Amino acid sequence: RKEVEQDPGPFNVPEGATVAFNCTYSNSASQSFFWYRQDCRKEPKLLMSVYSSGNEDGRFTAQLNRASQYISLLIRDSKLSDSATYLCVVKSGNTPLVFGKGTRLSVIA
Amino acid sequence: DAGITQSPRHKVTETGTPVTLRCHQTENHRYMYWYRQDPGHGLRLIHYSYGVKDTDKGEVSDGYSVSRSKTEDFLLTLESATSSQTSVYFCAIRGAGVDGYTFGSGTRLTVV
Repeated sequence: RKEVEQDPGPFNVPEGATVAFNCTYSNSASQSFFWYRQDCRKEPKLLMSVYSSGNEDGRFTAQLNRASQYISLLIRDSKLSDSATYLCVVKSGNTPLVFGKGTRLSVIA
Repeated sequence: DAGITQSPRHKVTETGTPVTLRCHQTENHRYMYWYRQDPGHGLRLIHYSYGVKDTDKGEVSDGYSVSRSKTEDFLLTLESATSSQTSVYFCAIRGAGVDGYTFGSGTRLTVV
């Protein structure tokens, strides 16, 4: 079983739509969780950390369910500029980050 | 900008030749990482460093070596390049007490 699993997509949504991505992780000792964004042929960039109580940053909401070992990212009012690949990332202790393969989002006009 | 640069940005090399990729940071961060990214595999850790001369292997370290003789530079060497090492290589840095990484712009390596 892969340590971090994501639906690769692509998710094709119209502008203004709400879209949600899910991610599951296998290591129950994982302590830190993130969403990174990667544009085509660019480096990954940190989008947001994911906290146990859930957190929001503008149109983006991240949630964590430790019991189910599940992380989600919700994007409201999608913009064309949101088109990218979204990487689910997990950290356990002092070990390096483990990345999911990513979910591709295309927002269509 | 975060102060991390990778060189070269692009390289084409022949099978069997040695190749060294450089990651340079100006942030004085302790932790540095090398990942490779391939279609269908995502980002996979090759090697990482937690200080000068302190390195450890990652998930896909076979065929690669690293060196960190000073804080600012982390070198990745392919001793004898193979076509399976054609990939995009990303370096990342992390400061102490911080969980998130900052990535360099990547090196596109093609082994022919």
